[in-house]
Amino acid sequence: GAGVSQSPSNKVTEKGKDVELRCDPISGHTALYWYRQSLGQGLEFLIYFQGNSAPDKSGLPSDRFSAERTGGSVSTLTIQRTQQEDSAVYLCASSRQGLSSYNEQFFGPGTRLTVL
Amino acid sequence: KQEVTQIPAALSVPEGENLVLNCSFTDSAIYNLQWFRQDPGKGLTSLLLIQSSQREQTSGRLNASLDKSSGRSTLYIAASQPGDSATYLCAVRPDDYKLSFGAGTTVTVRA
Repeated sequence: GAGVSQSPSNKVTEKGKDVELRCDPISGHTALYWYRQSLGQGLEFLIYFQGNSAPDKSGLPSDRFSAERTGGSVSTLTIQRTQQEDSAVYLCASSRQGLSSYNEQFFGPGTRLTVL
Repeated sequence: KQEVTQIPAALSVPEGENLVLNCSFTDSAIYNLQWFRQDPGKGLTSLLLIQSSQREQTSGRLNASLDKSSGRSTLYIAASQPGDSATYLCAVRPDDYKLSFGAGTTVTVRA
């Protein structure tokens, strides 16, 4: 596609439920990133994929959060047993590769998650 | 840990005035710096990327400068228009791949 796409655009769930957020990166981009934007916290890094591997999961806030990437393309971020503090906008980005100094990250429109 | 600060947090100017947005970072060991625009309820749009070896980058009415040694970048927007109203985010990329973001400057251009 022309840009990074994410689905759903909005998700409202009840506390304790599991949610899955999807990201489709730009075709040909091998690196994929998840960030979270919440009120008062700004944008924070969650996880980085190079191909299907996740060399850096250091930003995941708890073991309720997990992510996978298949076929070097689509990625899914899963949040189990959601809590109200998980409410935020989850942004996905992709780039041609991760470690090049010319790497430019392109962002999707985000998924707004609201946990009631 | 890299800290990124953007000043001011908000800015309101009349149409036609030039905009000056500031970004400072604590660790000068960066690969590059990106400026983004975010409209309400939307994702981030990349405006400019400056490599650590560059001093400035230009695109249309936008010009971004980088002084790595002093940990500063400035985004200039010439002849502002109401359509420039948005939040502008500065992000630095340290010696790996993840971006460290500032809190943003919210710009309002009054017609």
